[in-house]
Amino acid sequence: QVQLQESGPGLVKPSETLSLSCTVSGGSMNSFSWSWIRQPPGRELEWIGRIYSAERADYNPSLKSRVTMSIDTSQNQFSLRLNSVTAADTAIYYCVRERQLVQLNWFDPWGQGTLVIVSS
Amino acid sequence: IQMTQSPSSLSASVGDRVTITCRAGQTINNHLNWYQQKPGRAPKVLIYGASSLQSGVPSRFSGSGSGTDFTLTISSLQPEDFATYYCQQSYITPWTFGLGTKLEIK
Repeated sequence: QVQLQESGPGLVKPSETLSLSCTVSGGSMNSFSWSWIRQPPGRELEWIGRIYSAERADYNPSLKSRVTMSIDTSQNQFSLRLNSVTAADTAIYYCVRERQLVQLNWFDPWGQGTLVIVSS
Repeated sequence: IQMTQSPSSLSASVGDRVTITCRAGQTINNHLNWYQQKPGRAPKVLIYGASSLQSGVPSRFSGSGSGTDFTLTISSLQPEDFATYYCQQSYITPWTFGLGTKLEIK
């Protein structure tokens, strides 16, 4: 059974870069795309973007100028970097596998999530 | 694509039949997923492709709809069903979610 686990600092200073990693266990990373989703406390979910391979990623236009994703299938990991953070980036960050069947896509499974607070 | 859920909150009793609706800002065919989130936990997929039940999800959950209007129905509420439910479109990126429906015990 595939499991995902986020890791990274829980506190980031304003204007600095948020960096998170996600370790995938129990299955191969090949043939899937891998997403990051965030949720400000008490609020709705926001898709940040996804990565398929080292050469291919899609980002939410609302964050595209500040986001970089990378993947290392040999280490079973993928990562998120979000630069120039502000308090509005405070959220629980989830790493998620994107499943696909024919042309249908959905998120399963999810990591447990990691809270990142942006504060000086 | 904007996703509008209604109601935003709902009070119901164990055994009730409950329906939550989700409307897409444009047609998304059947590219609609439903998730359940309990406090302090990550969301979990219930329904994908508007009406396909994810493996392991109880059959009291069902989804329907196509185009712009969708529903999630719980046929007989159980105590463990009190949670927040989100719809999500997977028709075109950026994938977007509804604001959620909080289902509370009456």
